[in-house]
Amino acid sequence: DSGVTQTPKHLITATGQRVTLRCSPRSGDLSVYWYQQSLDQGLQFLIQYYNGEERAKGNILERFSAQQFPDLHSELNLSSLELGDSALYFCASSVVADVRGYTFGSGTRLTVV
Amino acid sequence: QKEVEQDPGPLSVPEGAIVSLNCTYSNSAFQYFMWYRQYSRKGPELLMYTYSSGNKEDGRFTAQVDKSSKYISLFIRDSQPSDSATYLCAMSARPDNAGNNRKLIWGLGTSLAVNP
Repeated sequence: DSGVTQTPKHLITATGQRVTLRCSPRSGDLSVYWYQQSLDQGLQFLIQYYNGEERAKGNILERFSAQQFPDLHSELNLSSLELGDSALYFCASSVVADVRGYTFGSGTRLTVV
Repeated sequence: QKEVEQDPGPLSVPEGAIVSLNCTYSNSAFQYFMWYRQYSRKGPELLMYTYSSGNKEDGRFTAQVDKSSKYISLFIRDSQPSDSATYLCAMSARPDNAGNNRKLIWGLGTSLAVNP
């Protein structure tokens, strides 16, 4: 157990729907990162939050949004889902000043049918 | 051209072999170099971390960074079936003036199978 908790583990939904993915960071970590992983694109950085505030944005679509709550858990909202959104979505957390990388959760596997 | 290039493999070796995994990069500002291991259906886990150039050894694993060639390597000695996984390289520039991490840039990962 890495200490980063992601729910749900699997999600199957239809095109056009909206889903919410949840992440609880490792104890003491203030930064949360969201990544999308697909076979052909690899790990794609979506967005980072630090202590409730958006800190950096990557290749996140306008249909996607995220937030980090006062208890530091984070949610990634995906709307108007398309078949191409099917992927593994990972959350990672870190102590901001630690450049040695992140601790990842086990991911949410999203399948859009 | 991608900032980080990594051969996706797959790479298949017999148990006990020495494995060499590599990444090349184009951004000379990168200072921090990491190797992650990802088992099937799991999140990546940090395996090795190296700052700037040089070698780092941890058990059967050795990470090398050659900044002049913009080339990093991970060597696995006496490979075991439990080493079968995807290995991803990641790198970043030094933190900004406020001490915040720069974005990690990832390779696509190399799939490794170690056969008993």
